[in-house]
Amino acid sequence: DAGVIQSPRHEVTEMGQEVTLRCKPISGHDYLFWYRQTMMRGLELLIYFNNNVPIDDSGMPEDRFSAKMPNASFSTLKIQPSEPRDSAVYFCASSGLAETQYFGPGTRLLVL
Amino acid sequence: GEDVEQSLFLSVREGDSSVINCTYTDSSSTYLYWYKQEPGAGLQLLTYIFSNMDMKQDQRLTVLLNKKDKHLSLRIADTQTGDSAIYFCAEVGNAGNNRKLIWGLGTSLAVNP
Repeated sequence: DAGVIQSPRHEVTEMGQEVTLRCKPISGHDYLFWYRQTMMRGLELLIYFNNNVPIDDSGMPEDRFSAKMPNASFSTLKIQPSEPRDSAVYFCASSGLAETQYFGPGTRLLVL
Repeated sequence: GEDVEQSLFLSVREGDSSVINCTYTDSSSTYLYWYKQEPGAGLQLLTYIFSNMDMKQDQRLTVLLNKKDKHLSLRIADTQTGDSAIYFCAEVGNAGNNRKLIWGLGTSLAVNP
């Protein structure tokens, strides 16, 4: 299995620009999670989906962040407009029947 | 509320044993996890233990669970430089359909030659 796939791996953008992060979960997994990791706050759960439906988005920082899962094999996390404080590593993870989560390699975002 | 705590740093010499400790608060957790994150990489599942177990051994790794004290530990025998990484403890959140994992801040393990 290819594992969880994320793209891009690195993103550098300027403040105010729109950023879209992409994730392909492991085939057959019906849960998908978006996390943000920073030195100051550690690993934060932003949102998670079950069968493409958002279950808990309480970790989404503000309205500038949105996430979608149009089908079982694809999800996006969008930041619009981006700000320097959004600079972080964003991880996508998926899980199946068990609660064990499998992580992608992450997208390193730098907002200048 | 739910919380997972870990010490932030641990330094050991190559060949020694490493013990990384974790405390958690949710006594209803079914699984407790250890993940490893190498520099510049994602989190990799290292091992897990079911809540009805006291110990689990997997090659150089030994996980001990003390449910009474809500304490979890990860012992790495014969620690190697390749074990240098951040180790995260996590517990499953509240029961039911909640699939959230509650994460510690991670313990940075430095292995000195």
